[in-house]
Amino acid sequence: GAGVSQSPSNKVTEKGKDVELRCDPISGHTALYWYRQSLGQGLEFLIYFQGNSAPDKSGLPSDRFSAERTGGSVSTLTIQRTQQEDSAVYLCASSPPTPNTGELFFGEGSRLTVL
Amino acid sequence: AQSVAQPEDQVNVAEGNPLTVKCTYSVSGNPYLFWYVQYPNRGLQFLLKYITGDNLVKGSYGFEAEFNKSQTSFHLKKPSALVSDSALYFCAVRDRGYSTLTFGKGTMLLVSP
Repeated sequence: GAGVSQSPSNKVTEKGKDVELRCDPISGHTALYWYRQSLGQGLEFLIYFQGNSAPDKSGLPSDRFSAERTGGSVSTLTIQRTQQEDSAVYLCASSPPTPNTGELFFGEGSRLTVL
Repeated sequence: AQSVAQPEDQVNVAEGNPLTVKCTYSVSGNPYLFWYVQYPNRGLQFLLKYITGDNLVKGSYGFEAEFNKSQTSFHLKKPSALVSDSALYFCAVRDRGYSTLTFGKGTMLLVSP
């Protein structure tokens, strides 16, 4: 597709369950980012991929969070043993290869609600 | 380290009046600066960016922003607000030595008819 695609758009789960969120970036974009948006917290950086490697995963809040990217394309963010504080909108963004001034192209997000 | 501050949670302006949404930043080197807009239940859309050159940058939908290095600011402006401009606005910064954008907490702009 023409833009960044994320699925599911909405996910309601019970505390303690695992969830997977998927991001399909714009074709040819080598960089991929995950951010989390919580009410009143702005956008919180989670992890950055360049190709299939993650040179910066400093924003992952705990070891319950992990992400992978395969084939330099699709990425999956996995949250294990979900907690209520994980409820947020998870945004994925991609950007083209160098020269890269940092402009990001965002998907519409996956809204996660943990009951 | 890099950081962004948006001091106003909300800005209210009447349609037709000029608007300003404030942003200040902190980086160790030279910044790339961005504004994004988010409409309800949508992802973020790019508005404009400052990379180098002219301190006044123009972007989508009639918005502009002025880079002020001495004040470390990058305020978003529009001469005449529209009701349809009502949305959540995010300022972001990237130090040229970094690979990631750091975003502010966002400012809700409400334009009344």
